[in-house]
Amino acid sequence: AQSVAQPEDQVNVAEGNPLTVKCTYSVSGNPYLFWYVQYPNRGLQFLLKYITGDNLVKGSYGFEAEFNKSQTSFHLKKPSALVSDSALYFCAVRDTNNDMRFGAGTRLTVKP
Amino acid sequence: EAQVTQNPRYLITVTGKKLTVTCSQNMNHEYMSWYRQDPGLGLRQIYYSMNVEVTDKGDVPEGYKVSRKEKRNFPLILESPSPNQTSLYFCASSPFPGQGYEQYFGPGTRLTVT
Repeated sequence: AQSVAQPEDQVNVAEGNPLTVKCTYSVSGNPYLFWYVQYPNRGLQFLLKYITGDNLVKGSYGFEAEFNKSQTSFHLKKPSALVSDSALYFCAVRDTNNDMRFGAGTRLTVKP
Repeated sequence: EAQVTQNPRYLITVTGKKLTVTCSQNMNHEYMSWYRQDPGLGLRQIYYSMNVEVTDKGDVPEGYKVSRKEKRNFPLILESPSPNQTSLYFCASSPFPGQGYEQYFGPGTRLTVT
């Protein structure tokens, strides 16, 4: 069965600094990988996904993620963090059987 | 506007009193799903539906029922709610999961069972 790990419950960065939110996965076959963001009192919003092709995928709000097959990782990155990026971030994986798994979430706090 | 709607947004109820949380999408999506979100556990799938009249159990189906009589609606039914079902619930839809489509989420329903 597939699984997703987000090793950090909390990530704190200063505004303007680069940010990384980590995600590792375990899945049989080729994975579909996703990042979602949740703002307070809101549902999850899609940020970006990796299906196939270029290992670096770009998404909404300036976020990007790098798929690394050898390390089974899909870390979310942004070159320059904004205070408005503060939210809860979820990594998710879907395998070829269409089973969907979410990580436990990482709370990102960007301080002015 | 393309969206997934859930009702109610907030619900406080007592143990054993049957309740239904409605979910509707206006995007003609094949796939719909229910999740519960609990601190430290992320989202866990309760049930999903690949199409009308086709439903399947997710990771935590105990104590829940669903139905998919129409493409747009996917209600979640708690026949006899218990306090351990206190949680934040999300409905989601996507065109079809097998193609790597992302899911669209509703705003959530915060349920408290006393």
